[in-house]
Amino acid sequence: QVQLLQSGAEVKKPGASVKVSCKTSGYTFIDWNLHWVRQAPGQRLEWMGWINVGNGDTKYSQRFQGRVTFTRDTSASAAYMELSSLRSEDTAIYYCAREISFSGYYYPFYWGQGTLVTVTT
Amino acid sequence: EVVLTQSPATLSLSPGERATLSCRASQSISDNLAWYQQQLGQIPRLLIYTASNRAPGIPARFSGSGSGTDFTLTISSLEPEDFAVYYCHQRYSWPNTFGQGTKVEMK
Repeated sequence: QVQLLQSGAEVKKPGASVKVSCKTSGYTFIDWNLHWVRQAPGQRLEWMGWINVGNGDTKYSQRFQGRVTFTRDTSASAAYMELSSLRSEDTAIYYCAREISFSGYYYPFYWGQGTLVTVTT
Repeated sequence: EVVLTQSPATLSLSPGERATLSCRASQSISDNLAWYQQQLGQIPRLLIYTASNRAPGIPARFSGSGSGTDFTLTISSLEPEDFAVYYCHQRYSWPNTFGQGTKVEMK
């Protein structure tokens, strides 16, 4: 079965960086793209961007442009999200999510369990 | 950026009642819209894709409609497990975006 297992909770100081991993199993890693979505406490889901796991192409929400980097390691069937220059507003649960195809339309369907990142002095 | 505006923010209903949730896009997104359900403390679950198609395993009481800029999610008869937050999500253009959510709470 498809599984996405994310790394554990992180506590960071303002200005630091965080790297969250998303280790996948149960399918051919390079066949499906991954999204990163975050959710601040009590807030809406926020789309951060997307990585084409096959060729490494990325698309980032402008809101995070310049601060976020998505990478992948095909040998490990894993993807990574690194967010730099952290501020308190970045405190959130970060999710990776794999797409599924419905007649050529692709939507996030399989989700990791989420990684809580807390930014605090 | 396509802004998705959901209404109402909160819907207070009783089990067995019908729920109607709205999602309006700031520009046309054709039918490239999905609905997700998120129960408290849980990960999102895909309910509806391409505006009107139920995802695998989703009960028939959930239905979606609309195209262009106006979309609706209907729950025909609320079950206790349906009390949750619902988000619409567009994949028509970059950046993809989510609505701010509608909370369906028990009256």
